Amino acid sequence: GQQLNQSPQSMFIQEGEDVSMNCTSSSIFNTWLWYKQDPGEGPVLLIALYKAGELTSNGRLTAQFGITRKDSFLNISASIPSDVGIYFCAGPSTSQGAQKLVFGQGTRLTINP
Amino acid sequence: NAGVMQNPRHLVRRRGQEARLRCSPMKGHSHVYWYRQLPEEGLKFMVYLQKENIIDESGMPKERFSAEFPKEGPSILRIQQVVRGDSAAYFCASSPGGRTEKKLFFGSGTQLSVL
Repeated sequence: GQQLNQSPQSMFIQEGEDVSMNCTSSSIFNTWLWYKQDPGEGPVLLIALYKAGELTSNGRLTAQFGITRKDSFLNISASIPSDVGIYFCAGPSTSQGAQKLVFGQGTRLTINP
Repeated sequence: NAGVMQNPRHLVRRRGQEARLRCSPMKGHSHVYWYRQLPEEGLKFMVYLQKENIIDESGMPKERFSAEFPKEGPSILRIQQVVRGDSAAYFCASSPGGRTEKKLFFGSGTQLSVL
């Protein structure tokens, strides 16, 4: 089935640094979603992308829908402690039945104060 | 401002017992999804339901697992005769549905521990 690969798997950065992570797929997606999960909580939607080449911001977060439709990038500027968590990319998959979201394995962000 | 509500937050069961996980979708949402998350892993799709219908259960184990979303009341994920490997966080998500609506809104999850 369709799979999403995220890199890096984990990041250890200093507070104030910028962060960049990406998500790739072997097949085309027509929507990309980025979620953040805090420990013990469910994922929260950060940004949704619907068009190839689209660049969308949400505060210090910026995400881009790759031109090839097979990748997406998430950038966080001037990281702060509350940015700690796991970031997941997701996209709709129609393999094996009705359309549902498939998720990457996540990028775990740790920030040293 | 009620989001997706899941209960219980934590559930402890002994091997062989039954686990029932409940999910009330956001107001106005008629589509419910269940996902399972093992430690240090991403979310794996289990089942997609609309009111009184299972739309896609391709991610659900064939035995011991069942799900329903009745006309009235919450969606239920039921695991019979639990085994240690069932220990995981189970998340419910909802959406208003429609061909263009792809965003899912998640609950806080139920952490199932099987002793």
